[in-house]
Amino acid sequence: AQSVAQPEDQVNVAEGNPLTVKCTYSVSGNPYLFWYVQYPNRGLQFLLKYITGDNLVKGSYGFEAEFNKSQTSFHLKKPSALVSDSALYFCAVRDWNSGNTPLVFGKGTRLSVIA
Amino acid sequence: DVKVTQSSRYLVKRTGEKVFLECVQDMDHENMFWYRQDPGLGLRLIYFSYDVKMKEKGDIPEGYSVSREKKERFSLILESASTNQTSMYLCASSLGARYSSSYNSPLHFGNGTRLTVT
Repeated sequence: AQSVAQPEDQVNVAEGNPLTVKCTYSVSGNPYLFWYVQYPNRGLQFLLKYITGDNLVKGSYGFEAEFNKSQTSFHLKKPSALVSDSALYFCAVRDWNSGNTPLVFGKGTRLSVIA
Repeated sequence: DVKVTQSSRYLVKRTGEKVFLECVQDMDHENMFWYRQDPGLGLRLIYFSYDVKMKEKGDIPEGYSVSREKKERFSLILESASTNQTSMYLCASSLGARYSSSYNSPLHFGNGTRLTVT
């Protein structure tokens, strides 16, 4: 079975500070991992994904994520937060071995960047 | 850019009504999905479809049905709306399994339909 956990419901960070939004996963094989962002009254937008290779993945809007196989984590990071980064962030996973099964999403983390 | 269009942004319906939520995508994607989003519960998969006239139950299919008569359109049907179906409904699409990259291709979401059942 596949699962993903986002341990923090809310993350608050001051503008200009680095931000981290945490995600841990569980799969039986190797994971495909995704981050999505949702702005108010909008659908989810794809930010970045990890397939294989380099553990540091760069994505849209200056975001990056680090894949750590030993800790089964895929934390989202940004060196300097903007107020406009305030949104709801979702991590998602699919096991390589599960074929074309749907993604499994975490419950989401609300990021608030304070000016 | 892929565009996934949900026909209504806001809907208000009465208990017992039959409700249709429509979703259209313009990128010839095989896969289409319906999720509901509730605070504290994240996204929960209702139904999905990998091809025309095909459908699969997701995690919470009770009280819902779907229709996929054309590749670009995936409809969610609430047979008899109830207040506990008040929610944000999100449609998404992605590449199908005939593409080798489909397993790691991202979902493309519509802007959602906020349904209130009174």
